[in-house]
Amino acid sequence: KQEVTQIPAALSVPEGENLVLNCSFTDSAIYNLQWFRQDPGKGLTSLLLIQSSQREQTSGRLNASLDKSSGRSTLYIAASQPGDSATYLCAVRLDGGSQGNLIFGKGTKLSVKP
Amino acid sequence: EAGVVQSPRYKIIEKKQPVAFWCNPISGHNTLYWYLQNLGQGPELLIRYENEEAVDDSQLPKDRFSAERLKGVDSTLKIQPAELGDSAVYLCASSTRAGEGETQYFGPGTRLLVL
Repeated sequence: KQEVTQIPAALSVPEGENLVLNCSFTDSAIYNLQWFRQDPGKGLTSLLLIQSSQREQTSGRLNASLDKSSGRSTLYIAASQPGDSATYLCAVRLDGGSQGNLIFGKGTKLSVKP
Repeated sequence: EAGVVQSPRYKIIEKKQPVAFWCNPISGHNTLYWYLQNLGQGPELLIRYENEEAVDDSQLPKDRFSAERLKGVDSTLKIQPAELGDSAVYLCASSTRAGEGETQYFGPGTRLLVL
């Protein structure tokens, strides 16, 4: 059974710092991996999607990497801002017969202090 | 473009009462998902529709939960009767299709409190 783990569970940093969020998964047979952002009381917003054949994706100050063989992904946030405060969720999409099904981690709650 | 719409946003009911949640996906999105999110946890899939067909409902507790997607557009998720442990956020998401590059777009969720 695929399990997704995110470390740390919570992180507090001063504004301007670069930071890394970690995600690990137990089964390397995945279609893709996505990073989502969730603001309190809101739904999830997709930030980056890395297909199984890719190593990384970049969008603005965000960079996500994928090491499928070791079951790891990182989300790098450069020059963090208070507006980046949210919960960041990692999700893997299963290979095989469950196409479309995402398995989520519990998330990392990020707080960026002004 | 309008996003995924869910209603109600909040619902408080007493245990053993029925409750229903409604979702309107993004126009043109054939795939619709219902997720359950407990506090401090990631979302867990309950059911996935391709058009009007439920293609994966293996995680749906069928003794009390039911869902439908008539005409392959809007969807309703029902709980009857509700239990205390059903208190959670119910998220709806949609995508153009279930493929390798597809992105799921999430609604704001319905926050359910069972007393």
